[in-house]
Amino acid sequence: VQLVESGGGLVQPGESLRLSCAASGFSVTNNYMTWVRQAPGKGLEWVSVMYSGGSTHYADSVKGRFTVSRDNSKNTLYLQLNSLRPEDTAVYYCARNFYDRSGPSDVWGKGTTVAVSP
Amino acid sequence: AIQLTQSPSSLSASVGDRVTITCRASQGISSALAWYQQKPGKAPKLLIYDASRLESGVPSRFSGSGSGTDFSLTISSLQPEDFATYYCQQFNNYPLSFGGGTKVEIK
Repeated sequence: VQLVESGGGLVQPGESLRLSCAASGFSVTNNYMTWVRQAPGKGLEWVSVMYSGGSTHYADSVKGRFTVSRDNSKNTLYLQLNSLRPEDTAVYYCARNFYDRSGPSDVWGKGTTVAVSP
Repeated sequence: AIQLTQSPSSLSASVGDRVTITCRASQGISSALAWYQQKPGKAPKLLIYDASRLESGVPSRFSGSGSGTDFSLTISSLQPEDFATYYCQQFNNYPLSFGGGTKVEIK
């Protein structure tokens, strides 16, 4: 069971990025899937969840700017980041939840780094 | 949104010490609380879920207790590999939230 994030990088404010989270050893459609981020030197911040049925929830700080989606054929979760701000600079982690539960998250990727700077 | 307040924010302890970290929720969350351990440059690791259930493979020196608004994580005998930052997380209400973290350092 493994999660591998990719897609991070350095962008300017207002630009967009799409993060990917490739899963192996299980299906992303069988579990709730979560994104969590961590700004440099700061604590963990919950970002979003996608239910196995496809419904989503978002943190207020990203609502309307970030969108979670998935490609079942690729067993991959995505996080589309639009209208990026400097405060979105963070390591973004993808995580698997216990089956159809809001929490906890038992399997985590190593993260991908997003830096937003002029 | 539910706020989680962890205390202390940091502590210094010796190998073999008993350590307790507390997490207080701004409103009742039943037992929908998890504890994670994070080491520098690494992803969080699940230790405890549903307030008191030990995740598979986690040493039995870790334990959790509480319900409603007050929770605690106890390490019965601190080991060298336990020096890390610990976070609580509530999953009772959206938006989900984490506590601010407790850094456990070597005395």
